[in-house]
Amino acid sequence: DVKVTQSSRYLVKRTGEKVFLECVQDMDHENMFWYRQDPGLGLRLIYFSYDVKMKEKGDIPEGYSVSREKKERFSLILESASTNQTSMYLCASRAGGLETQYFGPGTRLLVL
Amino acid sequence: DQQVKQNSPSLSVQEGRISILNCDYTNSMFDYFLWYKKYPAEGPTFLISISSIKDKNEDGRFTVFLNKSAKHLSLHIVPSQPGDSAVYFCAASDYGGSQGNLIFGKGTKLSVKP
Repeated sequence: DVKVTQSSRYLVKRTGEKVFLECVQDMDHENMFWYRQDPGLGLRLIYFSYDVKMKEKGDIPEGYSVSREKKERFSLILESASTNQTSMYLCASRAGGLETQYFGPGTRLLVL
Repeated sequence: DQQVKQNSPSLSVQEGRISILNCDYTNSMFDYFLWYKKYPAEGPTFLISISSIKDKNEDGRFTVFLNKSAKHLSLHIVPSQPGDSAVYFCAASDYGGSQGNLIFGKGTKLSVKP
């Protein structure tokens, strides 16, 4: 069974704070993804990574950065949190050559 | 422009009846399609998928139909149960073009009433 875990289920931060969201997968998957989910907008891809130290911008990378120092861990960083980054953040992983992505439980972030 | 569209934001069905969730796509290069189910405050869970070389895939109460000429797929749930109440996302992949990334629809909220 694929397991994707996220460091926090709920977070409350203040505007301007630096925020770290961490994701760990235990299936040795090459590919990892960060999405945000907002009502009426579905899942939007922020960043993804195909390998250690590799990162690619998704559809909405502005205001975010990522880090992948180890294969199993993919971190999303909000350099200076803003209220419009209040959202549900979802991490996913996928084995190379396959399409199915497996998601973590999500982190609900509130920026005040 | 949305490449994957779920035109019904919500659907309400009586327990025991069939639920049909629809999804349309515009990119003819998509070759793999997936359905995910999401409960509130949880991550999406993979439900069922279909390759473009097939027109039907079945897994228990869940069946996905693909009509490539119409660029349309649908998820049938029979019989529907209250525990099926969730948001359902359709997703598509063009492995060669998008490097396996998934393009998601905006979701359809299914309510199954007892």
